[in-house]
Amino acid sequence: DQQVKQNSPSLSVQEGRISILNCDYTNSMFDYFLWYKKYPAEGPTFLISISSIKDKNEDGRFTVFLNKSAKHLSLHIVPSQPGDSAVYFCAALEGNLIFGKGTKLSVKP
Amino acid sequence: DAGVIQSPRHEVTEMGQEVTLRCKLISGHNSLFWYRQTMMRGLELLIYFNNNVPIDDSGMPEDRFSAKMPNASFSTLKIQPSEPRDSAVYFCASSLMTRGNTEAFFGQGTRLTVV
Repeated sequence: DQQVKQNSPSLSVQEGRISILNCDYTNSMFDYFLWYKKYPAEGPTFLISISSIKDKNEDGRFTVFLNKSAKHLSLHIVPSQPGDSAVYFCAALEGNLIFGKGTKLSVKP
Repeated sequence: DAGVIQSPRHEVTEMGQEVTLRCKLISGHNSLFWYRQTMMRGLELLIYFNNNVPIDDSGMPEDRFSAKMPNASFSTLKIQPSEPRDSAVYFCASSLMTRGNTEAFFGQGTRLTVV
């Protein structure tokens, strides 16, 4: 049973608009949540994280929101740029680092 | 530091052969993760080490898979015998897991093809 779920395998957004990537989890014991970005033929790279005691963390164009009661987090990218096109993985940490299946974001010029 | 280094980058082998994937951690890191990426299952955690000790190997598919950390900076993932369904990209990641520091750094992966 998947502990971290990304239910949208793909998302297409126009350049300059907002991209919203969603993630749900089942284990309320997770301490941190992270987003990773992956380009083809490369390893995932860390993007942004949020502690389970916070509900928002912002870093430039990237903001992660955490709704603990709903066991849901989301990554907002504003404004979206073509270089943001990649696969985005949501991950949760409790000792282990558990990943969702990823969402492929395509930002069209 | 050159980052997490995995070797080989690509491996093609025949079914039944032994395959060894290698990973060099970032100096000073104390945690090591092995992942397998497939279209069907995404990034699947195989095993997690902390301070050279396997903490959770529940993701290891079966007895054909084994992982070791002979020292604090190096790990191997061995598949013996290999099967076509093992074909995937295998990533290792290292981290300095402390309170407030959660980022894991990934290698570039090893693309394994078993024919």
